[in-house]
Amino acid sequence: EVQLVESGGGLVQPGGSLRLSCAASGFTFSSYSMNWVRQAPGKGLEWISHIFISSSAIYYAHTVKGRFTISRDNARNSLYLQMNSLRDEDTAVYYCARTYPFKVPSGAYYAMDVWGQGTTVTVSS
Amino acid sequence: DIQMTQSPSSLSASVGDRITITCRAGQSISTYLNWYQHQPGKAPKLLIYGASNLQTGVPSRFSGSGSGTDFTLIIRSLQPEDFATYYCRESYSTRGTFGGGTKVEIK
Repeated sequence: EVQLVESGGGLVQPGGSLRLSCAASGFTFSSYSMNWVRQAPGKGLEWISHIFISSSAIYYAHTVKGRFTISRDNARNSLYLQMNSLRDEDTAVYYCARTYPFKVPSGAYYAMDVWGQGTTVTVSS
Repeated sequence: DIQMTQSPSSLSASVGDRITITCRAGQSISTYLNWYQHQPGKAPKLLIYGASNLQTGVPSRFSGSGSGTDFTLIIRSLQPEDFATYYCRESYSTRGTFGGGTKVEIK
């Protein structure tokens, strides 16, 4: 079964740090780009970071750039998100998600087709 | 970043209704548009990729259309399990932006 399982969430004070993990199983992790997406309480989904297969390219949303670092360990089938300088507004459920290339005659469409159940991060004093 | 605007932000409907959700991009994104369903406490679910391609396993009552800047998600004959929040997301840019979401509630 294709599966993503996040862990590492919890309560942290403003200015603190936290490291999230995402364990992949049931597919060849090293063959897919991966993402982190979050949902703050009462808000919509927000994409926050993307990492290519071999970590050759990494992208961040402006809201987290310079504070969060995405990484992956293909040997351990794991994705990570190091979160530093946390703010109240980082409180959210954090999801990891796989990017899948759907091939069509003209090329490919990329979409997040497998998601974890999420891990909750609460930033509060 | 590309702005994605969904409407309506919420709607009330009954089982069996046909509903339409629209998504407008701030610039042309061709057909690089995906739709997701999200229910409370669950993982988001991919419904449609490339504006109109149904993801494997998604019921055929869901359909998507559009290109350029204007896109539509239609659910024919709404079922109890369809009450959820729906999001569009552009995949044209590397920082693909989500729309604000459309919450579909039971009337």
